[in-house]
Order: sequence, then C-alpha cells, then structure tokens
Amino acid sequence: GAGVSQSPSNKVTEKGKDVELRCDPISGHTALYWYRQSLGQGLEFLIYFQGNSAPDKSGLPSDRFSAERTGGSVSTLTIQRTQQEDSAVYLCASSLGRILRTQYFGPGTRLLVL
Amino acid sequence: QQQVKQSPQSLIVQKGGISIINCAYENTAFDYFPWYQQFPGKGPALLIAIRPDVSEKKEGRFTISFNKSAKQFSLHIMDSQPGDSATYFCAASTAGNQFYFGTGTSLTVIP
Repeated sequence: GAGVSQSPSNKVTEKGKDVELRCDPISGHTALYWYRQSLGQGLEFLIYFQGNSAPDKSGLPSDRFSAERTGGSVSTLTIQRTQQEDSAVYLCASSLGRILRTQYFGPGTRLLVL
Repeated sequence: QQQVKQSPQSLIVQKGGISIINCAYENTAFDYFPWYQQFPGKGPALLIAIRPDVSEKKEGRFTISFNKSAKQFSLHIMDSQPGDSATYFCAASTAGNQFYFGTGTSLTVIP
C-alpha cells in the first residue's frame, strides 16, 4: 500500500511569499502530525490532528503558520509571509492514533526561502 | 526545554562493533519510547519501540534497554554494519499521543 506522501518535494520561494505544503496520510490513519527539521537538528513538533478533535497547535512557532485537515485525510500546512529562518524540511507523519502510535513519515518537503 | 535529551551527537564505530546511543527524560507521563532511523533525504522510519513495563526489547541486531527508575533508555546496535550509517532519533510519547524527539545521533560505521 502507499505510504505517506508529501508535495512538493522541494520548494524555493522568496521572502515574504506564502507557501502551501501538502500531506497525504496513509488511508485510515486518524492521527496526522507536522514536524519541522532544520539542518542537523531534531524534529520540532508543529501541529497534531486526531480524528475530528480540535488540533493541538501548541508547536506552531508563530501566527504565520497554520494547518488544516480536510475530511480527516489530506492536510495542508500554510506559511504566510515566509522568512529565511523558515527554511527547513517539513515532515508529515500519520498513525492509527492512540492505540497504535507507530508514526509513518513522509519523505518531507524541503523549503528554501531566499 | 528539551523534553528528551539524546547523546552522543555523533558516533563512529568500526564494522562489527557495538553502537550505543543514550536518551534521558524527565516527564513520567511518557509511556511509549520509539527509536527512528533516518537516511539522508528520507523521512524517519520506526526502528524499534518499547513501553515502560519492559526493561529490554530485542529485534535482530537492535536492542532497547530501558531503565524506568533512572528515566533513561538506550539503543544498542550489535555487529554494526556500514548500512547502519544513518541518523538515529529517540522519542517519547504520552497517552495523549504527543511525541517529543531527541536531537539525533549521526552514526558512521567504518568498513
């Protein structure tokens, strides 16, 4: 079966532009996570969706970051007015939820803000 | 504040040797401890995981040792191979499904 997919795989943008990153989780997975990974760093939690519950947005670094998950499946992470410090790899992961917590990660979107 | 502290940052091991990576935590609400392996240009992949009611879990050449009283857990890679060269992340999760990751260890296995 298909794993977690993310698009685009690479994105180069100019400072101040908005970007949208997409995540397609594994079918049937109720939990979806977004993380940010800067060069040589660990994974920084951004946001977590679980089923129809209100998302946990506690990791979003500023109000320029937002995410939505439509129909409990596809998710879009939006970064408004991008800054150079937003340059990183954005990883999406999905899981079956609280009972089976194994996270399956996508390949990531590499964002470069010039 | 780093919820999960991982060491060392980098590790070089001879082929056939044992690689050991350590993690420590403070939050006693953590009840699931996975290790992930990440190759360059790829997303992390689950390697092995343990729950705190078990002190050790082994899968092939990979073993997690868990010390609940010390709030520490470690990954041991036996008979390390060049193909094991990757970045390894420990993580800890609460029942609420929040995950906290260590900063990663870059492992290089020399042939």
